[in-house]
Amino acid sequence: NAGVTQTPKFQVLKTGQSMTLQCAQDMNHNSMYWYRQDPGMGLRLIYYSASEGTTDKGEVPNGYNVSRLNKREFSLRLESAAPSQTSVYFCASSAAAGGEKNIQYFGAGTRLSVL
Amino acid sequence: RKEVEQDPGPFNVPEGATVAFNCTYSNSASQSFFWYRQDCRKEPKLLMSVYSSGNEDGRFTAQLNRASQYISLLIRDSKLSDSATYLCVVNRKDSSYKLIFGSGTRLLVRP
Repeated sequence: NAGVTQTPKFQVLKTGQSMTLQCAQDMNHNSMYWYRQDPGMGLRLIYYSASEGTTDKGEVPNGYNVSRLNKREFSLRLESAAPSQTSVYFCASSAAAGGEKNIQYFGAGTRLSVL
Repeated sequence: RKEVEQDPGPFNVPEGATVAFNCTYSNSASQSFFWYRQDCRKEPKLLMSVYSSGNEDGRFTAQLNRASQYISLLIRDSKLSDSATYLCVVNRKDSSYKLIFGSGTRLLVRP
């Protein structure tokens, strides 16, 4: 039962470097999400994709781009990493986009440090 | 003010104790409510949905008070394995795709 798989698990970048975080789900879910989690801040939504072919900004999209490659995969790209992007990144997916069925399943997270 | 507020804790209780957490939300358009559990350095996992009439799942009971805009989670007969951070989550009616997460309440159950 893979569920939601994220790669890599850990990454250290220098300021200005770029990288892509990968996420794939095998639950045939329509919606996928990227969050970041910082101490005392809770989870904050970066971008989401309600369905294949669509993406929308969340609460903190600046400095990030996303691609919904197909129904299974949703990637997050940092074009020019900054120390403020040091965080734990979680990908999630859900079967339905709203209401009580918007139960989201999370990947194990990517711990990113930007020096 | 945060849209979803929780006491960060930690709540430090002995095994077998009953402990309750509250969570308040500020947006009256909130439609769906959940409790997630997050273990240290792990991903959040759904603990239970919260229904208007209240619901129970084993030792866990969730309540919703729409008039006062708060949600509660009661844990009876605490186990060591209940030690974790409990996240209160709401889904606003006007942004169907977005879950709003509280910062979490940390629970430590001691032997």
